[in-house]
Amino acid sequence: GQQVMQIPQYQHVQEGEDFTTYCNSSTTLSNIQWYKQRPGGHPVFLIQLVKSGEVKKQKRLTFQFGEAKKNSSLHITATQTTDVGTYFCAGRTGTASKLTFGTGTRLQVTL
Amino acid sequence: DTEVTQTPKHLVMGMTNKKSLKCEQHMGHRAMYWYKQKAKKPPELMFVYSYEKLSINESVPSRFSPECPNSSLLNLHLHALQPEDSALYLCASSQARGLGQPQHFGDGTRLSIL
Repeated sequence: GQQVMQIPQYQHVQEGEDFTTYCNSSTTLSNIQWYKQRPGGHPVFLIQLVKSGEVKKQKRLTFQFGEAKKNSSLHITATQTTDVGTYFCAGRTGTASKLTFGTGTRLQVTL
Repeated sequence: DTEVTQTPKHLVMGMTNKKSLKCEQHMGHRAMYWYKQKAKKPPELMFVYSYEKLSINESVPSRFSPECPNSSLLNLHLHALQPEDSALYLCASSQARGLGQPQHFGDGTRLSIL
């Protein structure tokens, strides 16, 4: 079955440092979504990428979809304590209804 | 604030009990989902309903029984659960199944099986 892995599993940064999480799928994806889950909270949709090589920005967050549509990345510039949480990529193959979540990267930010 | 409402927020039940989890959304979404999430793990899809019909069952044990009474409501009936079923159960909805519609999650029901 489809597997979606993320690295690193956990990262601890000081406020102001940059952060990147990488997402790799065992199969080609039709699109990829990113979600953030705060501690004790529920996943919240951040963005969706559809096109090969697509790059999207949301303020300090930059999302990229690989050329082969099998990997993606999320980069946060100058992290803040509000960025704390677990970031999940979630991929879909074809027109499937099923969204397969990546293993997640937990981000801790300290002052 | 979440637009998907789940009740109860917490549930403790014995292995012989029968209980139900409820999920409600009023966004006009026609796809609804149940996920199970263990601590420090990603959400795992259990069921997908599309236009009130079950479209995906991810080989979930029969002790979990989903029901979609109408387009706004989704229930998960629980019976004879096992301790390993203790987890956060998340409900989500989206505008349509497939084609990458964002999913909106509820706060979840934290379930403990004694």
